[in-house]
Amino acid sequence: AQKVTQAQTEISVVEKEDVTLDCVYETRDTTYYLFWYKQPPSGELVFLIRRNSFDEQNEISGRYSWNFQKSTSSFNFTITASQVVDSAVYFCALVGGSNYKLTFGKGTLLTVNP
Amino acid sequence: NAGVTQTPKFRILKIGQSMTLQCAQDMNHNYMYWYRQDPGMGLKLIYYSVGAGITDKGEVPNGYNVSRSTTEDFPLRLELAAPSQTSVYFCASSPGTVNYGYTFGSGTRLTVV
Repeated sequence: AQKVTQAQTEISVVEKEDVTLDCVYETRDTTYYLFWYKQPPSGELVFLIRRNSFDEQNEISGRYSWNFQKSTSSFNFTITASQVVDSAVYFCALVGGSNYKLTFGKGTLLTVNP
Repeated sequence: NAGVTQTPKFRILKIGQSMTLQCAQDMNHNYMYWYRQDPGMGLKLIYYSVGAGITDKGEVPNGYNVSRSTTEDFPLRLELAAPSQTSVYFCASSPGTVNYGYTFGSGTRLTVV
């Protein structure tokens, strides 16, 4: 069975603060993929990143960075110098083995205040 | 290239009514999925299909039916709408290789009153 836990239900920060969104996963598969999606107030799902289980390198994309640690089954997401436009619900998701079915966490609502 | 198209975007149903949520993709993807999103609960898989003529239940299939007669279309049927089916529904597709990711539709917001 697969499970994704996003323990932070809501986070509120002031603009320009750094913020980290936590994601912990469970899977018995040795090959799996982890994803982060952003859902802005408009409602669509925006793909942010995909990481496979064999690639533990951290990744940075502009103000976004991701820390993947297999030892703690975590795939955390950090936004540096947050902006109001970062306000959204962020989902972590997992697909394991060859079943191709995405399992989502419950999401974290991030509010960035001016 | 339209990607995944869902219709309608919004719908209000009365209890007991039936309706079909439409989903179409033009990327020749084999895999298609229906998810529902409830506040604070993330997205849960309702049904999925690995190809035309093949469908299977996901985590929350009760109250829904699907069919997959073509590669392009994957409609979701609600036979007797209940208030518990008030939700946002997302359709998605993938080529069956995770490296190519998943494409989501823009969602259908359904309210059952």
